[in-house]
Amino acid sequence: QVQLQQWGAGLLKPSETLSLTCAVYGGSFSGYYWTWIRQPPGRGLEWIGQINHSGTTTYKPSLKSRVTISAAPSKKQFSLKMTSVTAADTAVYFCARLAYCGADCYPVDNWGQGHLVTVSS
Amino acid sequence: SYEVTQPLSVSVALGQTARISCGGYNIGSKSVHWYQHKPGQAPVLVMFSNHNRPSGIPERFSGSNSGNTATLTISRVQAGDEADYYCQVWDITMVFGGGTKLTVL
Repeated sequence: QVQLQQWGAGLLKPSETLSLTCAVYGGSFSGYYWTWIRQPPGRGLEWIGQINHSGTTTYKPSLKSRVTISAAPSKKQFSLKMTSVTAADTAVYFCARLAYCGADCYPVDNWGQGHLVTVSS
Repeated sequence: SYEVTQPLSVSVALGQTARISCGGYNIGSKSVHWYQHKPGQAPVLVMFSNHNRPSGIPERFSGSNSGNTATLTISRVQAGDEADYYCQVWDITMVFGGGTKLTVL
């Protein structure tokens, strides 16, 4: 059974850099895409971006200029960095695994527990 | 960019059938996935590729997708089904619907 465990700072000031890491336990790291998704308070799920074991990344266009997702396959970890955060970046951040079920078929089949990041001065 | 639309809320009586829609242009040509999300928990995949149930998801959950609408159907609704439900597709990037709050009366 795959488990994702995530950690990082929970309270940031505006303009600081958000940094989160997710470790994968009990499953393979290669062969999958790994993703970050967030949920602002009272709002819906928002995809941030993803990476595969080879380091190929895709980002949400509106966040691309501030976001970097990286991976350390030997540690079975991947990370999210988001620069110049504002209050609008306050959210629960989830790391997750994408399964593959065919062309353009990528459901999220495993999720981390979620991590609340609050941006406040 | 591609957009998908869900109703904000759906209410259903205990034991009845709930239907949650996910609308998008020609969404029938895409693979739609559905997640159940309860407060304070991680979302759970309840349907993938339109009508496939992951292991452990009850047969009460079913899905369909045609034309401009995908639908998640929950039969014999239980109190424990009360949650937010999100549809998701892939269109160059990952796209989520805005979510539907299912209330069990």
